[in-house]
Amino acid sequence: GAVVSQHPSWVICKSGTSVKIECRSLDFQATTMFWYRQFPKQSLMLMATSNEGSKATYEQGVEKDKFLINHASLTLSTLTVTSAHPEDSSFYICSARDPGGRTGELFFGEGSRLTVL
Amino acid sequence: DAKTTQPPSMDCAEGRAANLPCNHSTISGNEYVYWYRQIHSQGPQYIIHGLKNNETNEMASLIITEDRKSSTLILPHATLRDTAVYYCIVRVPQTGANNLFFGTGTRLTVIP
Repeated sequence: GAVVSQHPSWVICKSGTSVKIECRSLDFQATTMFWYRQFPKQSLMLMATSNEGSKATYEQGVEKDKFLINHASLTLSTLTVTSAHPEDSSFYICSARDPGGRTGELFFGEGSRLTVL
Repeated sequence: DAKTTQPPSMDCAEGRAANLPCNHSTISGNEYVYWYRQIHSQGPQYIIHGLKNNETNEMASLIITEDRKSSTLILPHATLRDTAVYYCIVRVPQTGANNLFFGTGTRLTVIP
């Protein structure tokens, strides 16, 4: 089946630094990828929709200047957490839909756990 | 967008069938029922989906009521590795994830 891969799987950074997380579709091209955030013991919350070659669409309450999304190719989307603070510590997950796959299921990356000290 | 209601937690004995219910009483005619699961500290994994007919694959079976207002995911022989949070989601396929609403899911614990 389709595979979506994230890197890094975990990262620890100091407060005030920026962290980049990559999301790759390994065996299909994804014009659209999605970024989620999940806090402990909570469900996934959609942050933004990443569109190849155009600006990302952010959900209400998500700061676009803090969470920079770049979708430069059909197989790669990146999420950069700028000037990270401890409250940004979370599990970040990306997903993509294989346009040639079965009806509409989304494939998710393994997740990236960010810890801001 | 149709929302779903699931019990917060369930236990199941290893080797027995796990039946996870989901209510989606406001589902619209073009929305499918999808099931995903999330094992601790991993990304969600697709399990199965259906529109109105019952579906079966190598992982599970999906039973959808005739009025489509509820469904049940069946893991026929639960193993310890099936311990996870199971999410029931209704959505129109081939559309963006901005209508992919993850509720709280059901935390299934398979007991040895």
